[in-house]
Amino acid sequence: QVQLVESGGGVVQPGMSLRLSCAASGFTFSYYGMNWVRQAPGKGLEWVALISYDGNNKYYPDSVKGRFTVSRDNTKNTMDLQMVSLRAEDTAVYYCAKRGTRSDPYSDYWGQGTQVTVSP
Amino acid sequence: EMVMTQSPVTLSVSPGERATLYCRASQSVSSDLAWYQQKPGRAPRLLIYGASTRATGIPARFSGSGSGTEFTLTISSLQSEDFAVYFCQQYHNWPPITFGQGTRLEIK
Repeated sequence: QVQLVESGGGVVQPGMSLRLSCAASGFTFSYYGMNWVRQAPGKGLEWVALISYDGNNKYYPDSVKGRFTVSRDNTKNTMDLQMVSLRAEDTAVYYCAKRGTRSDPYSDYWGQGTQVTVSP
Repeated sequence: EMVMTQSPVTLSVSPGERATLYCRASQSVSSDLAWYQQKPGRAPRLLIYGASTRATGIPARFSGSGSGTEFTLTISSLQSEDFAVYFCQQYHNWPPITFGQGTRLEIK
């Protein structure tokens, strides 16, 4: 069965960096694009990155563009999110999620999430 | 940016009754709309994609309808496990991929 396991979350000070990872199993990882979605405490869902199946195309919302970088290693079935210049408003649970199809970026499977807290 | 607006913010319904949740897009998204369910402390779960197609393993009491700018998620006979927060998401005009703010479905 599909499994997505995030890691790397923690508490960091504003301006610092953090790298999240997502380990995938149970499907052909190299065939599917992947998303990162976050959820601030008590808030809704916010999409923060999408990487194509081959890693050649990457997309971000304006809120993280230039600060977050998504990457993947199809030989290891992993995806990373490098976050720099972190702000208090980046505090959230970060989920990795598998893209439903090659053409549609909705997410059909989600990991359990990893908490990122940005605090002085 | 496509803005998704869900209503109501909170919906109180008794078990066994029908629940209807709404999602409106600021521009047409065709049928490129998904619905997710989220329970406290858990990851979201995909319910519906393509506005009306149930995801794998989703019970038939969940149904989605609509196209363009107006969408509906209907739960025909509420079970105790259905009380949760529901989010809609558009993927027609992206980036960015955008979500509605959510509807909390609570027990009446």
